[in-house]
Amino acid sequence: EAQVTQNPRYLITVTGKKLTVTCSQNMNHEYMSWYRQDPGLGLRQIYYSMNVEVTDKGDVPEGYKVSRKEKRNFPLILESPSPNQTSLYFCASSPLNTEDGQFFGPGTRLTVL
Amino acid sequence: AQSVAQPEDQVNVAEGNPLTVKCTYSVSGNPYLFWYVQYPNRGLQFLLKYITGDNLVKGSYGFEAEFNKSQTSFHLKKPSALVSDSALYFCALRPNAGKSTFGDGTTLTVKP
Repeated sequence: EAQVTQNPRYLITVTGKKLTVTCSQNMNHEYMSWYRQDPGLGLRQIYYSMNVEVTDKGDVPEGYKVSRKEKRNFPLILESPSPNQTSLYFCASSPLNTEDGQFFGPGTRLTVL
Repeated sequence: AQSVAQPEDQVNVAEGNPLTVKCTYSVSGNPYLFWYVQYPNRGLQFLLKYITGDNLVKGSYGFEAEFNKSQTSFHLKKPSALVSDSALYFCALRPNAGKSTFGDGTTLTVKP
């Protein structure tokens, strides 16, 4: 089954404790992206990657890091989480062709205390 | 800069009535436009897209959307709403391979 998986699905942590949210896709997509969803703000793009070892900033990259060492994986790293990073996070993938819609993961709900 | 606006936070319709969810956009490049739907506690699902060609595009679950270049709009429509269409709808713009811009979302509620 074609899918994007994220782990964990739920996470409660404390300020400053480094964490990683994993994202994996099994569709051989070149493009992967991270978004955060906040009430009234819609989805905002954090980082995206157009291929292995190629990453670029979205609209809200501050406080986040990503890496793309393998085509299927695109982890999101919060080196020192803060309460304003409490949010619902989505990973998405698609072929590189801009004409294709993106496939989204189920989401990760993060709470930073 | 590119932007997407969904002017209505909430749309309420009665089952069986037509529905419209509005979207306007601003972009200097190609207006590649998408609609996604999000059901509670789920990720977003792709509904339909406009790339080029016919201004009326058809997508999943009986939805369609009308692209209007002069009004820079891409409104989502369905002739007869179902209660099961109740969800959060997002309009998105992806003019190049990298950045995607989403609207703030519109909650559609279809009442029996």
